[in-house]
Amino acid sequence: AQTVTQSQPEMSVQEAETVTLSCTYDTSESDYYLFWYKQPPSRQMILVIRQEAYKQQNATENRFSVNFQKAAKSFSLKISDSQLGDAAMYFCAYRDRNSGNTPLVFGKGTRLSVIA
Amino acid sequence: SAVISQKPSRDICQRGTSLTIQCQVDSQVTMMFWYRQQPGQSLTLIATANQGSEATYESGFVIDKFPISRPNLTFSTLTVSNMSPEDSSIYLCSVGGTGTGVYEQYFGPGTRLTVT
Repeated sequence: AQTVTQSQPEMSVQEAETVTLSCTYDTSESDYYLFWYKQPPSRQMILVIRQEAYKQQNATENRFSVNFQKAAKSFSLKISDSQLGDAAMYFCAYRDRNSGNTPLVFGKGTRLSVIA
Repeated sequence: SAVISQKPSRDICQRGTSLTIQCQVDSQVTMMFWYRQQPGQSLTLIATANQGSEATYESGFVIDKFPISRPNLTFSTLTVSNMSPEDSSIYLCSVGGTGTGVYEQYFGPGTRLTVT
């Protein structure tokens, strides 16, 4: 079974600075997707960024980027120019490459605080 | 992306009673997923609901405790039966994406349940 590990229960960052959240995963599959979700206090799960395992290029979405190391099974999230609105729980998630029929496997999450 | 609504958004219930949570999606989807998020924890999959067939439950979750209905391709309900304080959690409905977002998963706003 696939597992996702987030080793940082809590992180903090100064406003406008950069922070990196770590995620490792374990799978025997070669083709899969990885995601980062954000859950603010409103509890709405928001998709931040997605990475396809077959793509070597790291995904980016504005201030959010990932460092995907397939051989090391590592998938970290970098948030640049941190803003107060970035404060939330961040969950790393894995899914086999299957057209929407398999659910996500989540890590335990990292709580990010942003200090003004 | 899919727009998902849940009712109720929150409820406080007495132990021994049951609560039915509704999940409505703005488009037809094959699979719907129900998750539980206990306080301060990650998301745990309860079951996968496929229209026209019995839901598939994960280890540790049983149909008698969490009956699920899936009457059509846009709607599902999850009932939390014979509640105890340990059932106090956020319950989230989720669906797989379609089209270009077929490998993504979208979430409803969640139902916060408190059992006293």
